[in-house]
Amino acid sequence: DAKTTQPTSMDCAEGRAANLPCNHSTISGNEYVYWYRQIHSQGPQYIIHGLKNNETNEMASLIITEDRKSSTLILPHATLRDTAVYYCIVRDLSTDSWGKLQFGAGTQVVVTP
Amino acid sequence: GAVVSQHPSRVICKSGTSVKIECRSLDFQATTMFWYRQFPKQSLMLMATSNEGSKATYEQGVEKDKFLINHASLTLSTLTVTSAHPEDSSFYICSANKFRDGPYEQYFGPGTRLTVT
Repeated sequence: DAKTTQPTSMDCAEGRAANLPCNHSTISGNEYVYWYRQIHSQGPQYIIHGLKNNETNEMASLIITEDRKSSTLILPHATLRDTAVYYCIVRDLSTDSWGKLQFGAGTQVVVTP
Repeated sequence: GAVVSQHPSRVICKSGTSVKIECRSLDFQATTMFWYRQFPKQSLMLMATSNEGSKATYEQGVEKDKFLINHASLTLSTLTVTSAHPEDSSFYICSANKFRDGPYEQYFGPGTRLTVT
């Protein structure tokens, strides 16, 4: 069963902020929210992760709701190179899972000029 | 960030032959590596988890005798597709865990495109 739900696709104008939603209503207390993206025919690229606090790095911001049932990835100024499939993943870091990632379908983001 | 490489980047082989794909962590040690497979227009599917010095753990439905995984050192894991058939043609991607201030970061290789003719 999928642990996350994301829209299938989104279009975004170059230079504008892109807000990518993700629902993870069954997340447990020790599971983190991770975001990766995959540009066509390349390996996935780590973007950001968080547990319950909002996080920001040089690539993006991650906003997690207080109940942790959903989150939003924000790309502040989208460029054409941000066109990719974005994956929201709930990750269990307990020892017996080795922190493995289970990918869902993701959101295809297309940034247009 | 950390760098994970894969070799070869693409390979074409004949049906019935075996193909080995290497995954290396170039600037860090990785006790755990993962192998994924991705068919066109589909998401990544986890095949197996590889821990250095021990047997790999395969996901349900993945044939361990067909996809041989060896993790002999802290920087190298190999995936051998034995007796490859056209349906094994896919994009194979590895990743490696890097411990950093708490939750493990996981870094991905660039992928290997396998075509079986």
